[in-house]
Amino acid sequence: DTAVSQTPKYLVTQMGNDKSIKCEQNLGHDTMYWYKQDSKKFLKIMFSYNNKELIINETVPNRFSPKSPDKAHLNLHINSLELGDSAVYFCASSPGLRDRSSYEQYFGPGTRLTVT
Amino acid sequence: LAKTTQPISMDSYEGQEVNITCSHNNIATNDYITWYQQFPSQGPRFIIQGYKTKVTNEVASLFIPADRKSSTLSLPRVSLSDTAVYYCLVGDRYGGSQGNLIFGKGTKLSVKP
Repeated sequence: DTAVSQTPKYLVTQMGNDKSIKCEQNLGHDTMYWYKQDSKKFLKIMFSYNNKELIINETVPNRFSPKSPDKAHLNLHINSLELGDSAVYFCASSPGLRDRSSYEQYFGPGTRLTVT
Repeated sequence: LAKTTQPISMDSYEGQEVNITCSHNNIATNDYITWYQQFPSQGPRFIIQGYKTKVTNEVASLFIPADRKSSTLSLPRVSLSDTAVYYCLVGDRYGGSQGNLIFGKGTKLSVKP
């Protein structure tokens, strides 16, 4: 019974293409996140979102945009893909955003994006 | 934003108790300490969270001294399956344009038979 799921698991595409990664959580959490883990294994937060606010890490290019159709889903859209976008992208969720429960996060299995 | 420092790597043998210490000299009054575990090709997994003294769950214990400038994650009787990277995070709530949920390099624990 998967708590946080992502699709696809692997994504190979060419530079310049537009792609989306989907994320769903069945934990009833209010907040969802997107992270990027690069080849050096550093895990960096990209976005956090709940039904009231979207917080964007200012280092994230505006080619990346989160879309939330409902509380259980937070999809990641990427326009004009570049070689440097190759990484593993993780979705996560947590009970809260502006309290300590924001640190109790549940992660999806990741999507390995390869841009050629 | 409290910065954390952990050992880059640790080695252990099956059946031993492993203690991983994290330094956070600038921890704020409201900050909590949270530990995660990450296996290769998987997302991080929440292990434990605490504020002071000792917290224990079915997976690990977390020891926090009175000054809260460090914390120690204790894994009892490790097995080969505990080989993973362990991350220490400090904060009280996510917020700000940059975010203060930062996963550093973590500690790579290798358990040998």
